[in-house]
Amino acid sequence: DGGITQSPKYLFRKEGQNVTLSCEQNLNHDAMYWYRQDPGQGLRLIYYSQIVNDFQKGDIAEGYSVSREKKESFPLTVTSAQKNPTAFYLCASKVGQGPYNEQFFGPGTRLTVL
Amino acid sequence: AQTVTQSQPEMSVQEAETVTLSCTYDTSESDYYLFWYKQPPSRQMILVIRQEAYKQQNATENRFSVNFQKAAKSFSLKISDSQLGDAAMYFCAYRSRSTSGTYKYIFGTGTRLKVLA
Repeated sequence: DGGITQSPKYLFRKEGQNVTLSCEQNLNHDAMYWYRQDPGQGLRLIYYSQIVNDFQKGDIAEGYSVSREKKESFPLTVTSAQKNPTAFYLCASKVGQGPYNEQFFGPGTRLTVL
Repeated sequence: AQTVTQSQPEMSVQEAETVTLSCTYDTSESDYYLFWYKQPPSRQMILVIRQEAYKQQNATENRFSVNFQKAAKSFSLKISDSQLGDAAMYFCAYRSRSTSGTYKYIFGTGTRLKVLA
């Protein structure tokens, strides 16, 4: 079955540590996205990538980094520079062309800083 | 910059009744896409319905339909014959149709829908 997988589902991190969230898709989608979800704030865009080896900052990129070495994979690293990393993180992908423009989402990762 | 506003943080509806969730947006573009996503307690985001701005006809998907008022920049979601499984957070989203621009989506803050048995 095609879809988006995110791992782990729950992640705990000590303050000062970097942590990487995984996002993999087998939908052959060109574009991939990372969002952060906090209560009452909806989804905020962290980074997005439209093609391999290219990515752009979203609205809240500070303290985060990404890579896009393969079409299928778009990992997100939450660095120690992110002051308030506890949140729910959603990865999404979208086919590059065609009439269908909706994003498909993964199941999410809940990150908690201890 | 485009913005999306959902002014109802929470709504309740009786099972089998109809409810309408509001969404307004601001943009200077003439062509774009609008979406409603559902996020149940599992937190998996699910597409409910989409509307292309150049289409005047309102989109419909089974019990879900939209009232798209382009001049008023309004995009409300109507859920008919509400079911317990409709209880979720609902997000309105905007995306530019421009292929020369970025594929950024802008989400509202969400409306939590409760369905009462």
